[in-house]
Amino acid sequence: EAQVTQNPRYLITVTGKKLTVTCSQNMNHEYMSWYRQDPGLGLRQIYYSMNVEVTDKGDVPEGYKVSRKEKRNFPLILESPSPNQTSLYFCASSLSSRDISYEQYFGPGTRLTVT
Amino acid sequence: GQSLEQPSEVTAVEGAIVQINCTYQTSGFYGLSWYQQHDGGAPTFLSYNALDGLEETGRFSSFLSRSDSYGYLLLQELQMKDSASYFCAATDSWGKLQFGAGTQVVVTP
Repeated sequence: EAQVTQNPRYLITVTGKKLTVTCSQNMNHEYMSWYRQDPGLGLRQIYYSMNVEVTDKGDVPEGYKVSRKEKRNFPLILESPSPNQTSLYFCASSLSSRDISYEQYFGPGTRLTVT
Repeated sequence: GQSLEQPSEVTAVEGAIVQINCTYQTSGFYGLSWYQQHDGGAPTFLSYNALDGLEETGRFSSFLSRSDSYGYLLLQELQMKDSASYFCAATDSWGKLQFGAGTQVVVTP
């Protein structure tokens, strides 16, 4: 089944404790992206990757890191989480950033709480 | 950068037609897409416009006017299951994607 998976789905952690949210897709997609969703603000792009070893900042990259060492995986790293990073996080992928359809497939989401 | 404006909420009865407008301010604008999100779920793709005009997909249609920096999503023959949030999203030439804050569509019997 074609899908984007994220782990963990739910996470409660404390300020300053490094964490990684994994994202994996099995569709051989070139483009991958991370978003956070907060009430009233819609989805805001954190980082995106056009292909392996190519990453760029979205609108809200501060406090996050990403890497794209292989095509299928795009982990999101919070080196020192803070309470303002409490949010719902989505990973997404699409065939190509130059694909006319620009259809993005979203993972199920990770609800992160930082206390 | 880019910013997108869309209404926060629209209410309509079953069987009606709803139009959700989206205006954008862009640099390097490439295309406009639309996503649906039900409570507790992930966004799902509905439609995409890179060129001016209307794209029709079943009961949903999307329109783009580049000269007016404007697009809309048209939902026809509304059903209860269409109650959800709808987001417009603009892509720029460098692959960056920006979403509007979302429009909550409430369908009443």
